[in-house]
Amino acid sequence: EADIYQTPRYLVIGTGKKITLECSQTMGHDKMYWYQQDPGMELHLIHYSYGVNSTEKGDLSSESTVSRIRTEHFPLTLESARPSHTSQYLCASRGDGSSYNEQFFGPGTRLTVL
Amino acid sequence: GENVEQHPSTLSVQEGDSAVIKCTYSDSASNYFPWYKQELGKRPQLIIDIRSNVGEKKDQRIAVTLNKTAKHFSLHITETQPEDSAVYFCAASRGGSNYKLTFGKGTLLTVNP
Repeated sequence: EADIYQTPRYLVIGTGKKITLECSQTMGHDKMYWYQQDPGMELHLIHYSYGVNSTEKGDLSSESTVSRIRTEHFPLTLESARPSHTSQYLCASRGDGSSYNEQFFGPGTRLTVL
Repeated sequence: GENVEQHPSTLSVQEGDSAVIKCTYSDSASNYFPWYKQELGKRPQLIIDIRSNVGEKKDQRIAVTLNKTAKHFSLHITETQPEDSAVYFCAASRGGSNYKLTFGKGTLLTVNP
């Protein structure tokens, strides 16, 4: 079934560790996005990609980095995790070919940095 | 860039009542306005969307209205049920698949039995 997958779903890690949040989609979409969702609900766009080898920073400054080597894969990396990085991270994708294509979200990774 | 304001931030209604959530946007070139529902612990999911060439769209108990002149759009839920309790996000974007969605800050809707 076509979907967006995120792993791990939950991660508790100590300060200073390097982590990578995985996002894969089997929907054949070119556009992919990372959002940070704080407990106050708001969705903050932190990175996006329009295709392979394309990455852009979003509206909210983030210390994380992303890569897009394969169409279906859009991992997010934190080189040195800090408590301020504790949040829910949502990956999303959107198809090409129409201005009105639906944007789909993955199930999210809840990150806690101690 | 686009700015989307959403009100109210929280809304509590009795089961069976109607609920209305309102959004305003700043970019007059925006022409696509989706609404997402996020249940507790779940991912946001599209529930309805409207394009700028349409003033109103309905799908069973939910409807969305768009006023391009005033640059505002609203979500209407009638005959609310406890399962409607969730966070609702409005969003706006320009045409063209390279334009990003700009989301409102969300409305926490609680439907009391």
